[in-house]
Amino acid sequence: DAKTTQPPSMDCAEGRAANLPCNHSTISGNEYVYWYRQIHSQGPQYIIHGLKNNETNEMASLIITEDRKSSTLILPHATLRDTAVYYCIVRDSSNTGKLIFGQGTTLQVKP
Amino acid sequence: GAVVSQHPSWVICKSGTSVKIECRSLDFQATTMFWYRQFPKQSLMLMATSNEGSKATYEQGVEKDKFLINHASLTLSTLTVTSAHPEDSSFYICSARTGGKGNTEAFFGQGTRLTVV
Repeated sequence: DAKTTQPPSMDCAEGRAANLPCNHSTISGNEYVYWYRQIHSQGPQYIIHGLKNNETNEMASLIITEDRKSSTLILPHATLRDTAVYYCIVRDSSNTGKLIFGQGTTLQVKP
Repeated sequence: GAVVSQHPSWVICKSGTSVKIECRSLDFQATTMFWYRQFPKQSLMLMATSNEGSKATYEQGVEKDKFLINHASLTLSTLTVTSAHPEDSSFYICSARTGGKGNTEAFFGQGTRLTVV
């Protein structure tokens, strides 16, 4: 499976945009990039995913570089409730589609 | 998004007993379900993948005779921790997705905190 690299932690001021980077230099052509987050003592929550084009939904935007070797998750207006561990995952290209979690980035949104 | 429900949310059991955790997809049919384990301050570790009606596929290092997985229907998978020991105390999380290749996302349950005393 392709691996991802994320910074272990980041801070963001409340109301500002949070930009969370992810490197996935060994990603293959048919593998998607998924983002999940986990708030303390809860199950992970799906945020967004993409293949090569930038994606946006009500939660976030996903910017994928043209060579697909890295991506950035953008939370446009971070709130205190966005404090969580954010996981960038390259989805297994087999039929099982299993998600292998790395260590993620702990985002602390501060007032 | 779709809803995946786990039961119980937390459980305390004595060493040597078995504990069953249920994972249900409430509003969709889950061809594939996954079971994860998470220790404090660590990431989720995939334990096994189960497909409805077939045997589960376990990740390397996970004892299949200790962690029994049953996926008898498209909406229910169970994980039974047999002969539990204190080191099995952990946060167990299931996820479910619809079948087929492609980009369908997986949805996660709220997790079950198991404490073995």
